[in-house]
Amino acid sequence: AQKVTQAQTEISVVEKEDVTLDCVYETRDTTYYLFWYKQPPSGELVFLIRRNSFDEQNEISGRYSWNFQKSTSSFNFTITASQVVDSAVYFCALSEGLIQGAQKLVFGQGTRLTINP
Amino acid sequence: GAVVSQHPSRVICKSGTSVKIECRSLDFQATTMFWYRQFPKQSLMLMATSNEGSKATYEQGVEKDKFLINHASLTLSTLTVTSAHPEDSSFYICSAKNRGTEAFFGQGTRLTVV
Repeated sequence: AQKVTQAQTEISVVEKEDVTLDCVYETRDTTYYLFWYKQPPSGELVFLIRRNSFDEQNEISGRYSWNFQKSTSSFNFTITASQVVDSAVYFCALSEGLIQGAQKLVFGQGTRLTINP
Repeated sequence: GAVVSQHPSRVICKSGTSVKIECRSLDFQATTMFWYRQFPKQSLMLMATSNEGSKATYEQGVEKDKFLINHASLTLSTLTVTSAHPEDSSFYICSAKNRGTEAFFGQGTRLTVV
């Protein structure tokens, strides 16, 4: 069965610090997608990244970077030089099946990130 | 990216009444829509998957007679919470996808049953 674990329920750091959000997943499939979403207090889900299981290249987008390691079934997310606007709940998610694109998502428990000024 | 609009964003209803939530894909045809529920400070849990023109597939533990899902067109799916009770108070969020694309989320609906 699919499972996503975000062991850190809450993280609080001071602005400008770097912070890494951990994500560990379980799946029996060899083909799958991994996602990160940001959920601000307003509730909507903001898509951050999608990575397929065949692409282990790390990705950097501005202050955001992702480290995908199949050997440890992890897909960690790092924010460098954090800002107050980064405060939100962040979800890691997994879906199986590559042929027809992303199917239903299994979400982790979420990590509530608070950036203090 | 593609836009998915969910309406209403907030709704308060009396216990025992029914509430309908709409999920629309504004600039693409959604062959599949997903409905999730999120209780306060918890994760999102998939409730059901609906494909246009066919019956929804419900996840284990979700009452199909209580949470009616209709996906009558390629741009609209509705979730009706029937005979709502306070324990149904939650954040409901839909996502929509076309074949071969990723799913895009609506803004969510915060339901409060009093």
